[in-house]
Amino acid sequence: AQKITQTQPGMFVQEKEAVTLDCTYDTSDPSYGLFWYKQPSSGEMIFLIYQGSYDQQNATEGRYSLNFQKARKSANLVISASQLGDSAMYFCAMREGRGDYKLSFGAGTTVTVRA
Amino acid sequence: DTGVSQDPRHKITKRGQNVTFRCDPISEHNRLYWYRQTLGQGPEFLTYFQNEAQLEKSRLLSDRFSAERPKGSFSTLEIQRTEQGDSAMYLCASSLAGSRAGETQYFGPGTRLLVL
Repeated sequence: AQKITQTQPGMFVQEKEAVTLDCTYDTSDPSYGLFWYKQPSSGEMIFLIYQGSYDQQNATEGRYSLNFQKARKSANLVISASQLGDSAMYFCAMREGRGDYKLSFGAGTTVTVRA
Repeated sequence: DTGVSQDPRHKITKRGQNVTFRCDPISEHNRLYWYRQTLGQGPEFLTYFQNEAQLEKSRLLSDRFSAERPKGSFSTLEIQRTEQGDSAMYLCASSLAGSRAGETQYFGPGTRLLVL
């Protein structure tokens, strides 16, 4: 079964506007972590933001915020005030359990920011 | 410290040849991971090390693949008798055990392999 689902293959957003990227996950483990990474065309995966399953508040990092809805098993990324440099592929990933360290990734969402 | 580095960045080889990739993690990181990413997909886990011990291998890692981390610092990933299906981006990541933020993994720039 797919552990991470990203249903939006591609999105367009106008510069300076906000965009929300969807991510749903599947796990029966009460302890897990959710990550978002950005991958520009150069290929390097850049860490953006982390949300732990026990965190009480939604994570924020600068223009990135995570809308964590535990009961719905969703962890959507919100990018505010989009910039041209935000054009990239975005991946949601999960690490399950306390003894498991590998990440399971979704298929990604391509974001294109228009001037 | 400049982050995770990988060498080479690009590799073109003929089917049947052996290739070896190198990864240098962030210096204080004791965990090191290899992932494979095919076009249009998310990365898939291959294997990981804690210090020099290889603790987990994916079933994606066939007998033709071998990874080492001999002194708990850099790691190599070797593919023997390459096949066209091995063409992919090979990503290395590292993390520090017990660090904050879910022990975030930091990735290198990847090695793009093309098997002709």
